[in-house]
Amino acid sequence: AAGVIQSPRHLIKEKRETATLKCYPIPRHDTVYWYQQGPGQDPQFLISFYEKMQSDKGSIPDRFSAQQFSDYHSELNMSSLELGDSALYFCASSYRPIASPLHFGNGTRLTVT
Amino acid sequence: KQEVTQIPAALSVPEGENLVLNCSFTDSAIYNLQWFRQDPGKGLTSLLLIQSSQREQTSGRLNASLDKSSGRSTLYIAASQPGDSATYLCAVTSRSGGAQKLVFGQGTRLTINP
Repeated sequence: AAGVIQSPRHLIKEKRETATLKCYPIPRHDTVYWYQQGPGQDPQFLISFYEKMQSDKGSIPDRFSAQQFSDYHSELNMSSLELGDSALYFCASSYRPIASPLHFGNGTRLTVT
Repeated sequence: KQEVTQIPAALSVPEGENLVLNCSFTDSAIYNLQWFRQDPGKGLTSLLLIQSSQREQTSGRLNASLDKSSGRSTLYIAASQPGDSATYLCAVTSRSGGAQKLVFGQGTRLTINP
C-alpha cells in the first residue's frame, strides 16, 4: 500500500540558509500534518492543512511557513536556519481531519551546521 | 492542555517475557489513541489505533487497552523478542482549532535481551 512520501531524506544546510521539505500524502488523504522531533524528544506538532487551507498551528517559528497544494502535497519552508532547527521533520496524512488515524512518513533529517 | 505521560522511560527485559507499557493522558476528551514504534533515527510506525469508543485492540502479539475515563492506556507485548527493541510512543488526538492534533508522550525505550 502507498505510504506518505517525504523528500529529501537527509538535508544539510548552513546557518541562515533556507530549506524546503516536501511531503506527498497517501492518495485520497486530504489532511497533512507537520511534526518536528529534536534529538531525544517526542514529536512536536508544527502545523496542519485540510483541503489546502491551514487548519491548525502549533509551535511553528515565524521563520517557517508551509502550504498545501492543489494535488494535496505539502511543503515546509524554513528560512534563516538556526542550529536548533536540526531535527527530524515528519509529515503525516489522514483522510479528514477528525478521528481518523494518522500515517507518518519516514521523515527528513535536517542538520544545520 | 493535553499532556501525555509514559512510564517507564526505559525498560530492559530478557527475551520471552511478557511486558506492559503504560500511558496516561490528562484530558479524557480524545478522539483516539495510537501506539507507535520508532527505531533509532527512523520514522514512526503505527502499531495500534484505539478509537475513543473502543476498549482494546489486538494485533499479533500486541494488545492495547484504553480506559478513557481514567485517562490510561496500556500496551501489552507477549513473548517479547529482540526485534521488539525500539522506542514505543503513545499519542492521543484531541480536537483543536478545527482539526485533530496528536500529542505524544516521551516514549518508553524498550530493550529485549537475547
